Parts: sequence; C-alpha cells; structure tokens
Amino acid sequence: DIVMTQSPDSLAVSLGERATINCKSSQSVLYSSNNKNYLAWYQHKPGQPPKLLIYWASTRESGVPDRFSGSGSGTDFTLTISSLQAEDVAVYYCHQYYDTPRTFGQGTKVEIK
Amino acid sequence: QVQLQQSGPGLVKPSQTLSLTCAISGDSVSSNSASWNWIRQSPSRGLEWLGRTCYRSKWYNDYAVSVKSRITINPDTSKNQFSLQLNSVTPEDTAVYYCAREAPGLDYWGQGTLVTVSS
Repeated sequence: DIVMTQSPDSLAVSLGERATINCKSSQSVLYSSNNKNYLAWYQHKPGQPPKLLIYWASTRESGVPDRFSGSGSGTDFTLTISSLQAEDVAVYYCHQYYDTPRTFGQGTKVEIK
Repeated sequence: QVQLQQSGPGLVKPSQTLSLTCAISGDSVSSNSASWNWIRQSPSRGLEWLGRTCYRSKWYNDYAVSVKSRITINPDTSKNQFSLQLNSVTPEDTAVYYCAREAPGLDYWGQGTLVTVSS
C-alpha cells in the first residue's frame, strides 16, 4: 500500500495569513506516461462530506477559491491557503489515486490563532 | 449535476451485516470514465477507503486489505446504484460511511450515513 503522511497534524494560523500543509507518499504517484501526479486534496468540515479542492496535485476543482493551491510532484506535495479565512477551519486530507488500495493521509486540522 | 443519495440502517448488531445503497443521478454506474467508491470516517481512523466498483468493458472490484474478507460492493445497472455489504461487523466498524465518485479525485459524495454497531 502507498502510505500518505501529512505534516503537521494541526496548524493554528491568524486570519489573512498563509497556511501550508505537506503530504509525502511512500512511493511516487507520478505516472510517467502522462506526466500526471495522482494526488488530490480535500477539505472536511463536521457534519458534511469531504469536499474536493485539488486534483492532479495542482488543478483546482471548479468553484474552489483561488486562495487554495496545490504543488509538488513525485512523492512530496503541498497544499497552501494563501490568506486564511474563518470558513477555512476544517481538517484537510491528501489522497492518492495512483494505485489501489486508495489511501489518505491522516489529516491536518487547521484552526484560527 | 451528479448527485449521490445514500440509504440504509444506522444501527447494526455485532456479527450481523451492514448494508448500504448509493443511488446515482446525473451519471451512470456503467460509466467507463468513473469509479464508484465506499469510504468511511471515524475519529480513530480518519478517512478510510473501503473499496470500489468500475466498468471498463467488464466489471472490476477492488477492496481494502483490512476488510477484503468481509466486503462486497455490487453495481445495479437496472436501478443505477451500487451497494456496500460488510459482514460480521464489530463495534470497530462504527463510522460515518460515504459513497463517492472518482473521476479523477473523489468529486461527488453522498451525504454520509452514521452506522453504529451495537447490541
């Protein structure tokens, strides 16, 4: 199985400041034939299903604010919230869909400082 | 617009079978560009992928090793839905269960069903 490890486990950021979440996979999720990284990011708020933010490591899902961005390739990835808003308080997960079984990181809880 | 509507009981007794259904609108369970997944979430395990079904000229299923001996995911083309059966449940199977479409990334999710395993 591909193990996904996120850091940090929790993060407190002031409103308007940058939040950065890292995700490392135990093996590359870059498919060489199409040069795509099979990596997605989700936002999960209590009482709601997770929401897809980013896929192919850096493609923003339709309707997702542009303060959310994804970067990285191979085994190391980052989700950045450029200017934290109150509504961004949530748990964020990375997820690989390169291989089965699909696997998720353990989650990073983002709070307001 | 794709919508996934989950149904099934919220309480299951230990050793019995957990059964949930996910009805699809706006897409087809037989789509050759999507897969149909079950995921669960609990405080102790975070998000845990359980398995999927997909159609690529024939039906394929993949399951998580942790539940492989107990799980079945079946498509139902006549009703455009797919189902989850998890046998021999224990209290450790208590979780919120979600169905979701992957196309790519898990872009549409059901509303979630809290399933409690208790006598």
